[in-house]
Parts: sequence; structure tokens; C-alpha cells
Amino acid sequence: GENVEQHPSTLSVQEGDSAVIKCTYSDSASNYFPWYKQELGKGPQLIIDIRSNVGEKKDQRIAVTLNKTAKHFSLHITETQPEDSAVYFCAAHQTGANNLFFGTGTRLTVIP
Amino acid sequence: DTEVTQTPKHLVMGMTNKKSLKCEQHMGHRAMYWYKQKAKKPPELMFVYSYEKLSINESVPSRFSPECPNSSLLNLHLHALQPEDSALYLCASSHFDRGYDNEQFFGPGTRLTVL
Repeated sequence: GENVEQHPSTLSVQEGDSAVIKCTYSDSASNYFPWYKQELGKGPQLIIDIRSNVGEKKDQRIAVTLNKTAKHFSLHITETQPEDSAVYFCAAHQTGANNLFFGTGTRLTVIP
Repeated sequence: DTEVTQTPKHLVMGMTNKKSLKCEQHMGHRAMYWYKQKAKKPPELMFVYSYEKLSINESVPSRFSPECPNSSLLNLHLHALQPEDSALYLCASSHFDRGYDNEQFFGPGTRLTVL
């Protein structure tokens, strides 16, 4: 089955700096990679996703890159703000399957 | 309406109680999911319903009993739970259409404490 590894487990950055979270996956059949943000006491919220036919996707301050050959994908947050503080989960998915395979999560703290 | 709602937000129950968690969505999604999330861990898939039929049961103990009365509602019936079942229970929904990558939308969860 699929195995998704995520690093780092914790990340502290100064407000305005960039944050990068990296994930690797094991199953080359995975072709959809969402990122979720989970704030304290809330459910995971989809913030950005990327499909395997695309190398990079951007949405304002958030970007995701995918390297299919190396089987890794990364989340980039620029100009971080205190409200970006949360736990971020990457996930991998295969078309036609229902399972999302989650990474272990990264706790991001943005220091004002 | 792009929301998944869950009730109750918090639930405290004894090991002999019977209770139910409820989930509702009105996005026309035909796949609905129950996840269990322990502190500082990712969500773990418990059950998947597609077109109101149970399609995945990830070897969950029988003290958890899911039910999908219609395409918008998902219940999780709880009976004789153990303290280690205390967790955040998340409901999610997505389109179910083979060949489509199904974005899953999560509800806010029910925080369950078993005494």
C-alpha cells in the first residue's frame, strides 16, 4: 500500500518568512495530492491540491510542487502570517480509490 | 452550500451508554466517510459509504456501527465504547465518480470522551 512521509514534524518561522513542508510517497499509481490545514479544534480544510499531470500550482501565498520521478511534493507558504499557524497534512490518492493516505502532519508556528 | 456539518460538537459518554454521531452535507456528494483522529496524529479512515452502501470498513470494532439513511446523512452509532476510543471523529464527503480525483471535504468533527 501507499506510504506517505512528511517532514518536518514541527516548524517555527518569523512572520513574513517562507515555510516549506515536504512529503514523499511510495506508490507510483498515486496521482492526486491534496494539502489540508487543521486549526485547533477544527476539521482539516483543503487548502490546495495538485494532480500528477502538473508540476506546480499556485494560489496567492500558497504553492505546491510535484516531482513525479522522485515521488515527492512540497507545500510552500510565502509571507507567512500568524493565522497560518496550524497543523498541515499532505495526502496521496489514486484515481478511482476512496482512500486518502495522509502524512504524519507538520505543526507550523508563525511567530509575530 | 459547501459545508459538512456534524453534531454534537462534544460528547461525553460512559462505557455502557449508546449514543450516535450525525453528519450532513448538501453538496450532492455520493461518497461519505468516517475518520477517527487521535491527538497529534493524522485522520484514520474507518468507513466509506458510496451511493448509500458501505464500501469500505477498515476492520473497525463492532461497537462502532455506521448508517447512511440517505445521500445527505451519515450516522455513527456507538455502543459499549472503551476509554481508548476517545478521539475526534471526523466526517467527510466527496464526489464518487471513478476516474475523478475526489476532493474530500471535512466537517468540524465531534470530540468524543469515553469515561
